[in-house]
Amino acid sequence: AQTVTQSQPEMSVQEAETVTLSCTYDTSENNYYLFWYKQPPSRQMILVIRQEAYKQQNATENRFSVNFQKAAKSFSLKISDSQLGDTAMYFCAFMIYGSARQLTFGSGTQLTVLP
Amino acid sequence: GAVVSQHPSWVICKSGTSVKIECRSLDFQATTMFWYRQFPKQSLMLMATSNEGSKATYEQGVEKDKFLINHASLTLSTLTVTSAHPEDSSFYICSATRTSGSYEQYFGPGTRLTVT
Repeated sequence: AQTVTQSQPEMSVQEAETVTLSCTYDTSENNYYLFWYKQPPSRQMILVIRQEAYKQQNATENRFSVNFQKAAKSFSLKISDSQLGDTAMYFCAFMIYGSARQLTFGSGTQLTVLP
Repeated sequence: GAVVSQHPSWVICKSGTSVKIECRSLDFQATTMFWYRQFPKQSLMLMATSNEGSKATYEQGVEKDKFLINHASLTLSTLTVTSAHPEDSSFYICSATRTSGSYEQYFGPGTRLTVT
């Protein structure tokens, strides 16, 4: 079974600063996908960024980037130039390639961006 | 594209009654839909995986006779909470994946269920 661990229940960052959210996972699979989802107060799940395990290059989406360390089974999210709208719960998630497309979620990190 | 809707967004029902929640993929066909339950400040817990035209697969510990799931078409899945009790009060979220192509799950906006 796959597990996803987010060890930071809460974090805060000053507006315009940079913050990194941690995620580790455990799996015996070699081919998989990793995701970061954002859940703002509206509770709508929003995909922030995704990474295919076979790709060595770290994914980036504007102010969001990941540090994917496959050997260490680590998948951290870096948010640059933090904005007030980034305040949300962030979930790290895992999906086995070619599977029933089920997601395994971490417990989440509540990020608050301070003005 | 890839919009998923849920209806209703909020429902209050009395203990002992049943309530149905709909999940629709508006602009794509979804072979597989997922139902999650989320308690306040907690993660999403997968309840069941629903495939069009076949019986849903329930996660361990989820009562399939209490949470009835039907996926009758490629754009609609329903979750019926039967004989609801206050402990069933929660936030229910559905997601859907495309019939072909992207592996991504697209999430609905969720339904808040309150059982009084």
